[in-house]
Amino acid sequence: AQSVAQPEDQVNVAEGNPLTVKCTYSVSGNPYLFWYVQYPNRGLQFLLKYITGDNLVKGSYGFEAEFNKSQTSFHLKKPSALVSDSALYFCAVRDIGDNAGNMLTFGGGTRLMVKP
Amino acid sequence: NAGVTQTPKFRILKIGQSMTLQCTQDMNHNYMYWYRQDPGMGLKLIYYSVGAGITDKGEVPNGYNVSRSTTEDFPLRLELAAPSQTSVYFCASITGTGYGYTFGSGTRLTVV
Repeated sequence: AQSVAQPEDQVNVAEGNPLTVKCTYSVSGNPYLFWYVQYPNRGLQFLLKYITGDNLVKGSYGFEAEFNKSQTSFHLKKPSALVSDSALYFCAVRDIGDNAGNMLTFGGGTRLMVKP
Repeated sequence: NAGVTQTPKFRILKIGQSMTLQCTQDMNHNYMYWYRQDPGMGLKLIYYSVGAGITDKGEVPNGYNVSRSTTEDFPLRLELAAPSQTSVYFCASITGTGYGYTFGSGTRLTVV
């Protein structure tokens, strides 16, 4: 079974400050990991993914995430937050080894609020 | 390249009515999925399909049915709408060798 936890329902940060949105996962095999962003009344947009290789993954809009296998974490980061980054962020995992349907399991989401 | 197209975008149903949510993709993806997103919550998998003619239940299948007669189309049917089915429904697809999903823009359903 695969699962994802996003321990924070909401993260508040001031514009220009660094931001971190936390994600931990559980899989029986090796993971593919993803971050998606959802703006109000919109669908989910892909931000970045970790498949293999370098643990630091860079994605869209200046976001990056660090894969930490020992801590089973995949935290989303940005060095300098923008007001326009305010949205709902979802972490997702796909277990490579035990997932015939290639299904993603999503965390509950974290609302990011960036204040001017 | 339209990607994943969902119709309708919005719908209000009365309790006991039925409807079909349409999902079409033009990327020749084998795998397709239906998720629901309740207010302030994450996404829950309803049904999925690994190819034409093959469907399987996800985490929350009760009250729904699907079919996959073609690679492109994966409609979701609600037979007897209940208030608990008020949600936003997302369709997604992926190739067999792909990594992440392509999502549709969603259908916002209200059952009153």
